[in-house]
Amino acid sequence: EAGVTQFPSHSVIEKGQTVTLRCDPISGHDNLYWYRRVMGKEIKFLLHFVKESKQDESGMPNNRFLAERTGGTYSTLKVQPAELEDSGVYFCASSQAGYEQRTYEQYFGPGTRLTVT
Amino acid sequence: LAKTTQPISMDSYEGQEVNITCSHNNIATNDYITWYQQFPSQGPRFIIQGYKTKVTNEVASLFIPADRKSSTLSLPRVSLSDTAVYYCLVGARGGDSSYKLIFGSGTRLLVRP
Repeated sequence: EAGVTQFPSHSVIEKGQTVTLRCDPISGHDNLYWYRRVMGKEIKFLLHFVKESKQDESGMPNNRFLAERTGGTYSTLKVQPAELEDSGVYFCASSQAGYEQRTYEQYFGPGTRLTVT
Repeated sequence: LAKTTQPISMDSYEGQEVNITCSHNNIATNDYITWYQQFPSQGPRFIIQGYKTKVTNEVASLFIPADRKSSTLSLPRVSLSDTAVYYCLVGARGGDSSYKLIFGSGTRLLVRP
């Protein structure tokens, strides 16, 4: 079974440019999450999709970040315009559980390292 | 939201048993305790989860006392490949059916030969 994949693995852009990160969850997983780790800090939750709907986007830092999940399959996270403080590693995770979730077993992708110069 | 506290780092030697304790004084009644492992340049990986008493799987055991204010991850006979960061998490439900994970700083385990 293929795991969670993310593309690109590394992106270097200049301040003010736009970058789009992609996440392909495990097939059949309705739940998709975005997290990020900024240099030296802890991994922070960004948002959660259930299928194509945003369930919780309380972690999105500001309106420069836009996440979509077309058709409930893959997801994209766009940063526009990028700022220096957006540099970090962006992780995507997916899980199978439904509303009566007992487990918090989320399967993480390898992450996208974003560097804004 | 339940905050967790764990040692910043631990050292061990190959073949030893390693116990990492996490405190979570504000754990809610319905919260489960979950541990993740992370290697450099990889995403976190689920290790084990429990609610109370003891849980064991093929890689680890999780001990949870009756008051559930702490938990201990036990790794039997560690090898060099167990060198990683270990996160103790208590699930935080935000909004309607949201199961975001709240990561702390984790415990950096170094296994020496």
